[in-house]
Amino acid sequence: DSGVTQTPKHLITATGQRVTLRCSPRSGDLSVYWYQQSLDQGLQFLIQYYNGEERAKGNILERFSAQQFPDLHSELNLSSLELGDSALYFCASSVGAGVRYEQYFGPGTRLTVT
Amino acid sequence: TQLLEQSPQFLSIQEGENLTVYCNSSSVFSSLQWYRQEPGEGPVLLVTVVTGGEVKKLKRLTFQFGDARKDSSLHITAAQPGDTGLYLCAGVRYNQGGKLIFGQGTELSVKP
Repeated sequence: DSGVTQTPKHLITATGQRVTLRCSPRSGDLSVYWYQQSLDQGLQFLIQYYNGEERAKGNILERFSAQQFPDLHSELNLSSLELGDSALYFCASSVGAGVRYEQYFGPGTRLTVT
Repeated sequence: TQLLEQSPQFLSIQEGENLTVYCNSSSVFSSLQWYRQEPGEGPVLLVTVVTGGEVKKLKRLTFQFGDARKDSSLHITAAQPGDTGLYLCAGVRYNQGGKLIFGQGTELSVKP
């Protein structure tokens, strides 16, 4: 158990809908990362927050947005969902924001868009 | 184009055999991490290497970071069925915060 929690574990929704994925980092960790894992693309970095502020951005679609709240939990919002958005979404956390801080991953949310 | 190339992508061996997984890039990384992932679960961190030429051992697993910080390898001695899983290398580039760049992964199956 990494100490990172994610809810829900599974999510099934229809195209065009909007969903929110939630992540609670390990106790003491200030940085939260979101990754998407699909069969064809592998694990791809989406976005990073550190202590409430956006720190780095990857190949995140405009239909996707995220935020980190004062209690340090984070939410990833996916809107206008398409079939291709079906994937595993992972949250990771680390103590700091820089290169030398190890990231610990949550169990993931499996999103299925029908 | 994958920034981190892992090879082989699939590996099926018998219990007791040795194996090596490679992670190569043309880019320099400030650090490189190895993860193991079980189906439907999140990646679990095995090791982080940060110094060029560094070698780290974790029981039967040996990790090496290339002198030029562009490549890494994972060697497993006397593989066991419990080693079965997806092995992922991930690198952090300079001046890119904590953004991890992952290789495609190596699917390892160890048969008893």
